[in-house]
Amino acid sequence: GAGVSQSPSNKVTEKGKDVELRCDPISGHTALYWYRQRLGQGLEFLIYFQGNSAPDKSGLPSDRFSAERTGESVSTLTIQRTQQEDSAVYLCASSLFAVFSYNEQFFGPGTRLTVL
Amino acid sequence: AQSVAQPEDQVNVAEGNPLTVKCTYSVSGNPYLFWYVQYPNRGLQFLLKYITGDNLVKGSYGFEAEFNKSQTSFHLKKPSALVSDSALYFCAVRDGMTAGNKLTFGGGTRVLVKP
Repeated sequence: GAGVSQSPSNKVTEKGKDVELRCDPISGHTALYWYRQRLGQGLEFLIYFQGNSAPDKSGLPSDRFSAERTGESVSTLTIQRTQQEDSAVYLCASSLFAVFSYNEQFFGPGTRLTVL
Repeated sequence: AQSVAQPEDQVNVAEGNPLTVKCTYSVSGNPYLFWYVQYPNRGLQFLLKYITGDNLVKGSYGFEAEFNKSQTSFHLKKPSALVSDSALYFCAVRDGMTAGNKLTFGGGTRVLVKP
């Protein structure tokens, strides 16, 4: 079946503009995650959704970052008033039900964001 | 708190030789450990995981990893490396005693396999 998809694949924006990144998880996966990967670095957790539970927002770096998810489907990550340090690859992942579980996460190809 | 360390930024190995990528972790409870590989301009691909049971875990593409509780390590190994194994490898951990599935990733190790 289809994997995790993300759009756009690349986004170039000017400092101060808002951007919206989209993630389509694997069908049936109730858990969805957003990570940030800066150039040459590891993955940084941003936010996690599990079904209808309140999301874990503990990784969001500032109030300029927000994310929404409609039910168990599409998620959007919004960055307001973008800064140059927001330039990174934003990865989305999904997994089967995750509470106290050990299911592996399946990653999308990422959105490369460049803030000029 | 949970953390992962990958002490080597890069590992160079000749094709056909054994490959080892090191990972150590720290968690409060029982560790769930994962290895992922990232090829250029692509997302992460799952290789293998350790949850419980046998300390030696076998995964995709001929990779295996050994869980060592006393050394808090989960090194990735492949007996005979291929040029196509050249990629970025990430170790990740989560604490199996806490709710949620937030993974903590290491900084990654770049593997270069030379013909």
